[in-house]
Amino acid sequence: AQTVTQSQPEMSVQEAETVTLSCTYDTSESNYYLFWYKQPPSRQMILVIRQEAYKQQNATENRFSVNFQKAAKSFSLKISDSQLGDTAMYFCAFIQGAGSYQLTFGKGTKLSVIP
Amino acid sequence: DTGVSQDPRHKITKRGQNVTFRCDPISEHNRLYWYRQTLGQGPEFLTYFQNEAQLEKSRLLSNRFSAERPKGSFSTLEIQRTEQGDSAMYLCASSLGLTSGGADTQYFGPGTRLTVL
Repeated sequence: AQTVTQSQPEMSVQEAETVTLSCTYDTSESNYYLFWYKQPPSRQMILVIRQEAYKQQNATENRFSVNFQKAAKSFSLKISDSQLGDTAMYFCAFIQGAGSYQLTFGKGTKLSVIP
Repeated sequence: DTGVSQDPRHKITKRGQNVTFRCDPISEHNRLYWYRQTLGQGPEFLTYFQNEAQLEKSRLLSNRFSAERPKGSFSTLEIQRTEQGDSAMYLCASSLGLTSGGADTQYFGPGTRLTVL
């Protein structure tokens, strides 16, 4: 069974500082995709960043980057220069690449950016 | 480019009633997904469509739940004889469908929040 674990239910960070959200996953597959989605309060979920398991290079999208450790099955999200608009629930998600379309989500981390 | 839209945004119903939700995917997106999100949890997969064909269903989708996508465009999710445990946010997502599996990014709608009294 696929599982995604986010061990930090809540985190806070000062504006302009850097924060790292943790995620571990479990799979026996070698081909899969990892995602971080952001769900702002009362707003829809949006994709922050994605990582293909076959790529060794860590994905980066502007202020967002990941630390993908395949052997450890770890996929953390780093947010640099945190902004007030980063306040949201962050979900780590996983999908097997070989013909699967089910996203499996973790329980989420509630991030608060403090002015 | 409009995003995924869902209607209604909120629904309050009494136990035992039937409810139907609608999802309009992003134009030209071939795949459409339904997820359910309960308080304090991440979304859980319910089902997905490739055009009008329902190709995968979760065991979470009991026989009281039915989903359709008759013309390969919008989709409806119906819950019959609602129970209090059905109270949740129902999320719809769509993807372009030109690649397979996880390479096909899913874009989410705002959700329909169902409250069963």
